Amino acid sequence: GENVEQHPSTLSVQEGDSAVIKCTYSDSASNYFPWYKQELGKGPQLIIDIRSNVGEKKDQRIAVTLNKTAKHFSLHITETQPEDSAVYFCAAILSGGSYIPTFGRGTSLIVHP
Amino acid sequence: GAGVSQSPSNKVTEKGKDVELRCDPISGHTALYWYRQRLGQGLEFLIYFQGNSAPDKSGLPSDRFSAERTGESVSTLTIQRTQQEDSAVYLCASSLLAGVAYEQYFGPGTRLTVT
Repeated sequence: GENVEQHPSTLSVQEGDSAVIKCTYSDSASNYFPWYKQELGKGPQLIIDIRSNVGEKKDQRIAVTLNKTAKHFSLHITETQPEDSAVYFCAAILSGGSYIPTFGRGTSLIVHP
Repeated sequence: GAGVSQSPSNKVTEKGKDVELRCDPISGHTALYWYRQRLGQGLEFLIYFQGNSAPDKSGLPSDRFSAERTGESVSTLTIQRTQQEDSAVYLCASSLLAGVAYEQYFGPGTRLTVT
């Protein structure tokens, strides 16, 4: 089955800096890659996603890049703000099936004011 | 509108007892998923319901775990003879349909502690 590795487990940055979280996956058939943000005491919330036919996608301060050859995908947050502090999860999915994601272990992002 | 709700928010139980966790999906959502989140870990898929189709139970860790769903509404996850390793946050999610075109909306979770 699919295996998703996520790094780093903890990331501490100063407000205004950029943050990058990286994931690798094992199943080359996976073709959909969502990113979730989980705030304390809440369920995860989808923040951005990318499909395998696209190399990069941006939404304001958030971007995701995908390298299918290397089976890597990354989340980039620019101009970080304290409210970006949360746990971020990547996932990999083989679409066309039951849409069961395999999640990474999460990255705790701390943005210091 | 109302999101996914789960109850209870916290549950403390003694080892060996049975527990029931409830999920109320967003109205009209035909797909419902249960996940387990252990401390410091990612989400583990447990079971998934899509409409009236047979549920996908491939993620259930043992036969102590079961889940039911009444039509396209409430779902209950039952853990029998709880063990300490069952301690985790149990998350429920729903989506309009199953498939990558349909976002999964998560509830706040039930934190289960087995003493």
